[in-house]
Amino acid sequence: AQSVSQHNHHVILSEAASLELGCNYSYGGTVNLFWYVQYPGQHLQLLLKYFSGDPLVKGIKGFEAEFIKSKFSFNLRKPSVQWSDTAEYFCAVNAERSYNTDKLIFGTGTRLQVFP
Amino acid sequence: DAMVIQNPRYQVTQFGKPVTLSCSQTLNHNVMYWYQQKSSQAPKLLFHYYDKDFNNEADTPDNFQSRRPNTSFCFLDIRSPGLGDAAMYLCATSNGVSDIQYFGAGTRLSVL
Repeated sequence: AQSVSQHNHHVILSEAASLELGCNYSYGGTVNLFWYVQYPGQHLQLLLKYFSGDPLVKGIKGFEAEFIKSKFSFNLRKPSVQWSDTAEYFCAVNAERSYNTDKLIFGTGTRLQVFP
Repeated sequence: DAMVIQNPRYQVTQFGKPVTLSCSQTLNHNVMYWYQQKSSQAPKLLFHYYDKDFNNEADTPDNFQSRRPNTSFCFLDIRSPGLGDAAMYLCATSNGVSDIQYFGAGTRLSVL
């Protein structure tokens, strides 16, 4: 079965530090990949996605992620974090499809805390 | 403006007492999903509707049911909640294949 692993459960950084959150998935076929973010008290929202094309994708708020097919990875990066990036980050893969809908498989999430 | 709205945000019920969670959307999307998310775990898909077509996940307990009376609304019914059903329940919508999913803020269910 498809699965998604996020290596870091809790990350603590100071403002301006660089961020990389790991995500690996298990599925041998074509995948769509997502990072969702959940700010405290808010709903899950899309940070960025990869469907095809350039494996380096840019999202909102200065985030980017790189799809490395050979490593089954889709790591999230940001060169300089801000206090407002404090949130929970979920990696997700869409690998099972019926004829009309997709199924997202989520990782367990990484809680990021950024201190001023 | 919220596009996927879940009510209530917090729900407390008693062991075995039926409870209904509500989700509405203003996006006119074909698909509505219900996820269960327990503490420190990944959101887990329970079922989804494509229009009126109901699709249950194989491992979703029979205790969980859903209704979609129209495009805008979808309900999650838990017939006899157990302590293990305490969780955050997330509703999401999309337009189907290769479309992103839009999530509501969730309903946190407590079972006493």
